Amino acid sequence: NAGVMQNPRHLVRRRGQEARLRCSPMKGHSHVYWYRQLPEEGLKFMVYLQKENIIDESGMPKERFSAEFPKEGPSILRIQQVVRGDSAAYFCASSKDKSPSTDTQYFGPGTRLTVL
Amino acid sequence: QQPVQSPQAVILREGEDAVINCSSSKALYSVHWYRQKHGEAPVFLMILLKGGEQKGHDKISASFNEKKQQSSLYLTASQLSYSGTYFCGTEPITGNQFYFGTGTSLTVIP
Repeated sequence: NAGVMQNPRHLVRRRGQEARLRCSPMKGHSHVYWYRQLPEEGLKFMVYLQKENIIDESGMPKERFSAEFPKEGPSILRIQQVVRGDSAAYFCASSKDKSPSTDTQYFGPGTRLTVL
Repeated sequence: QQPVQSPQAVILREGEDAVINCSSSKALYSVHWYRQKHGEAPVFLMILLKGGEQKGHDKISASFNEKKQQSSLYLTASQLSYSGTYFCGTEPITGNQFYFGTGTSLTVIP
């Protein structure tokens, strides 16, 4: 049973380019969460999605960032016109039920974004 | 909103014990504990729900005092494999968000 999968594992972009990060939740999980982690810091919540719906995006920057979780396919975190400050590790987590009340979140290996 | 963990860092010799605390300013429904090794994803350790419960497996246990809005993680007879950064994750009683704590770096040396 595969765990949460993220790709790419490492992504390098130049300032102004777009970054697309993909997350495939564990089989049977319909809840997806995205977090950002800066070096030597904790995880900061960005967005919580269910299939085709954004439930809570209060942690997402208002501009340049967007997320989706289509009916078919992985969840995508999209960053437009990247800047150096976007360099971070982006983790995706999934849960079977709404987390954390009734289920825990299982994390993917993360995508390390470097903006040159 | 972000829970505060203490201590920020601790160094132990193998076999010693440690306690990591997590304190929230909000009333909590649940507390989760994770361990993250450098360059890897956080790994779930345990969840505690309100009701003041205590849980544990092997030599790692935790308690949750909902009145004080605090949780503590206890590591006994530490092993080298315990090294990593420990995060608490808290769910306030109201709202959808899940807040990770500031993190505690634990290093176990031979």
